[in-house]
Amino acid sequence: GAVVSQHPSRVICKSGTSVKIECRSLDFQATTMFWYRQFPKQSLMLMATSNEGSKATYEQGVEKDKFLINHASLTLSTLTVTSAHPEDSSFYICSARDSGGRTEAFFGQGTRLTVV
Amino acid sequence: GEDVEQSLFLSVREGDSSVINCTYTDSSSTYLYWYKQEPGAGLQLLTYIFSNMDMKQDQRLTVLLNKKDKHLSLRIADTQTGDSAIYFCAESRTNAGKSTFGDGTTLTVKP
Repeated sequence: GAVVSQHPSRVICKSGTSVKIECRSLDFQATTMFWYRQFPKQSLMLMATSNEGSKATYEQGVEKDKFLINHASLTLSTLTVTSAHPEDSSFYICSARDSGGRTEAFFGQGTRLTVV
Repeated sequence: GEDVEQSLFLSVREGDSSVINCTYTDSSSTYLYWYKQEPGAGLQLLTYIFSNMDMKQDQRLTVLLNKKDKHLSLRIADTQTGDSAIYFCAESRTNAGKSTFGDGTTLTVKP
């Protein structure tokens, strides 16, 4: 199968600090990864598309200086929430598309971020 | 932009069939997906269908696509309590592009 591992699964941080979330494709290479945010009882909202070796493409309304994305290898993308505030508390989910051409995207298990 | 809509709740009895419906607006949608999300977990891909297909069956799951009406449905046969979850439909234009998700349908299966 295709496994995407997201770490950490839960994190609590203080307001004003930064938090890094990792998304790894374990058994396939992913040129493209996607970062989503999900509010309670709501759908997934795409934040940005992460491209290996180049800058991420952010969706309208998403602050690129606040949500830093780095996709330095074909198996790892990171999302850093900088200067976190309580309103950044949410469930963040990544997905990865197999560079080998499989149609579906594979999702990580998500990261529950709580900013206190 | 693209829009995907689903009814928010569905309740069925164990052993019955469940049908979850979804409509989308983007006529360029090429790939249509169904995902399952259990509480506090990520998304699990259940099945997907290409826009040139009308139906796809995979064990207890049957996906029907009416491209003319832009309507997608997921039928779960012999629904079990373990099927209780939120089900998202999603669409994308290409197999390398981003997906747009519906708001999710919460399926409750009563014993």
